[in-house]
Amino acid sequence: ELKVEQNPLFLSMQEGKNYTIYCNYSTTSDRLYWYRQDPGKSLESLFVLLSNGAVKQEGRLMASLDTKARLSTLHITAAVHDLSATYFCAVKVGAGTASKLTFGTGTRLQVTL
Amino acid sequence: EPEVTQTPSHQVTQMGQEVILRCVPISNHLYFYWYRQILGQKVEFLVSFYNNEISEKSEIFDDQFSVERPDGSNFTLKIRSTKLEDSAMYFCASSEVQGFMNTEAFFGQGTRLTVV
Repeated sequence: ELKVEQNPLFLSMQEGKNYTIYCNYSTTSDRLYWYRQDPGKSLESLFVLLSNGAVKQEGRLMASLDTKARLSTLHITAAVHDLSATYFCAVKVGAGTASKLTFGTGTRLQVTL
Repeated sequence: EPEVTQTPSHQVTQMGQEVILRCVPISNHLYFYWYRQILGQKVEFLVSFYNNEISEKSEIFDDQFSVERPDGSNFTLKIRSTKLEDSAMYFCASSEVQGFMNTEAFFGQGTRLTVV
């Protein structure tokens, strides 16, 4: 059974600081996704990572993928309060019509002023 | 911008009652999914649906659950006899191509189901 683990589960950081969230998964996959979720809200897509070594950046967030290590990172640069949310990584498993996403445990990020 | 729409946003039901959660996927999407998230926990896959049949389902998706695409636009999740542990946020998602490819699945805003 695929396991997708994130750490830390909870992160409190000050504005302006940098930090990295880690996502480890236990089986081979060719797609990894990062989502943001605000309390009581839906899942907002942030990044889709398609290949080994892929790096994508949007604003203060940068995601990378190492398929050999089965590891993805979400790096936060100079955090701002608006980034406070829960971040999930999700790994695609299965093929064709049987594809599905297996989500990580989530990392709740709190950026303090 | 096209979006996945779910109704209702919140449903309260008594244990043992049937509920139907509704979703309108993005119009040109062909692949549909239901996920659920128990409060404070991770998002879990329930079922995927393509060409009017279930493609994949998880062990959570037992005989109490069913899905249907009754009219070519709506996609529904029915829970026949709700249990307390069915209380969760239910998300519908749709995807244009199979296996997501290089696009993400688009998620609806969710239906919060509370079983009392």
